Amino acid sequence: EDKVVQSPLSLVVHEGDTVTLNCSYEVTNFRSLLWYKQEKKAPTFLFMLTSSGIEKKSGRLSSILDKKELFSILNITATQTGDSAIYLCARGDSGNTPLVFGKGTRLSVIA
Amino acid sequence: DVKVTQSSRYLVKRTGEKVFLECVQDMDHENMFWYRQDPGLGLRLIYFSYDVKMKEKGDIPEGYSVSREKKERFSLILESASTNQTSMYLCASSLNLGPYLFGPGTRLTVT
Repeated sequence: EDKVVQSPLSLVVHEGDTVTLNCSYEVTNFRSLLWYKQEKKAPTFLFMLTSSGIEKKSGRLSSILDKKELFSILNITATQTGDSAIYLCARGDSGNTPLVFGKGTRLSVIA
Repeated sequence: DVKVTQSSRYLVKRTGEKVFLECVQDMDHENMFWYRQDPGLGLRLIYFSYDVKMKEKGDIPEGYSVSREKKERFSLILESASTNQTSMYLCASSLNLGPYLFGPGTRLTVT
C-alpha cells in the first residue's frame, strides 16, 4: 500500500497551459510535505510545506498543503518545455525518520 | 557551491562482482541516504545513516551493505552484484529535518 500517492502518473500539456499535480498522504506523525523536480539526473528541491493554507511560490510554481484533507498540490502556470520532468512529492514524519516518496508525476510539455 | 558527489555517473559490472558506490557531501550534514530508482517503482530507500559508524536498514536492504567511517562519506556496497540490481542509485544528505540534497546519481548496469 502506497503511503504517498501522486496523480496523475503522467501528463502531456502544451506550452502555456496551467497544470496541477496532486499528492495525497496517510496521516501518521506528519511533519512536512516536500516537492522535488527531477529532470535527467538528480531530484532538485522545490518546496517544503509544514502549515495548511499557506502558499509557497517560486516564479511560475506554487504549492499549498491541506493537512485536514491530507493532500498537497503543485501548480505550474504558463508551462514551458523546460518544465518537462518528473515531479516527486515526499512526506516527512516527526522523529527524523526518512522521507517517504511518491512514485512521481511525469510531466511532458510540448511546443 | 555545496554539493553531493557520487563516484561514477555510469557503471557496468558483471554478475557476482563486488561493487562499491561512493557518495561524498561537503555540507557537514549528519544524515545520509541511499536510494534506488526504477521506472514505475519510484525512489526506494536502501540504507541510511544519522551519524558516523551508524547505519539503519531502509525498505529494501537485501543484497546491499553500507559503510560510514567519516561524516562526509557514505558508501553503498553490493556484495555480489546481480542483474536485478541494475538501477539508478541516488545518494542524498540532509541537515537535521531539512530537505534532502541529492547527488547526480549512478546508473549501474549488471550484465
